[in-house]
Amino acid sequence: AQSVSQHNHHVILSEAASLELGCNYSYGGTVNLFWYVQYPGQHLQLLLKYFSGDPLVKGIKGFEAEFIKSKFSFNLRKPSVQWSDTAEYFCAVRDTGTASKLTFGTGTRLQVTL
Amino acid sequence: GAVVSQHPSWVICKSGTSVKIECRSLDFQATTMFWYRQFPKQSLMLMATSNEGSKATYEQGVEKDKFLINHASLTLSTLTVTSAHPEDSSFYICSARGAGGGMDTQYFGPGTRLTVL
Repeated sequence: AQSVSQHNHHVILSEAASLELGCNYSYGGTVNLFWYVQYPGQHLQLLLKYFSGDPLVKGIKGFEAEFIKSKFSFNLRKPSVQWSDTAEYFCAVRDTGTASKLTFGTGTRLQVTL
Repeated sequence: GAVVSQHPSWVICKSGTSVKIECRSLDFQATTMFWYRQFPKQSLMLMATSNEGSKATYEQGVEKDKFLINHASLTLSTLTVTSAHPEDSSFYICSARGAGGGMDTQYFGPGTRLTVL
């Protein structure tokens, strides 16, 4: 079974700082990779996804993530964060074999200060 | 984007009672619905997957007789926590995937916070 690790549990940044949130997964097969965001009091929303092709994927709100297969990583980045990016960020992996179940990481709480 | 609603958003109940949580897809037909459980500061744990009209598939360690899932229509799935106990207190989130959409079109509800006294 696959597992997902997010090593940063709580990150505090000032506005305009650059962001990188780590995500590593363990699974030997082919996977689909996702980053979800949960703003305070709201439901999970898809930020970006990787299925195949260019390992650098761009999502909404200026976020991007890079899939490095050799490192089993899919780190999320944003060059300059805004206060409105304060939220919980979840990395998720789906085994393309079953193609049905998402496995989530524990989440990273991002707090952006003014 | 597609919307998934849950009702109630929070519920407090006494130990031993049963609680039903509804999950609805508001503007699409959900052929597959997922139920997750989230403990404070922890990840979303998949409890079960249900396809409309068939029995739910439960993840290992999830008691199917305790967490009854019904996916009777393409827009509604319910999770009933039977004989709830304090350890069942958690945040329950449903997710729905529509027919005809890509495999990535999985939409999440806002969650239901259950507190068992």
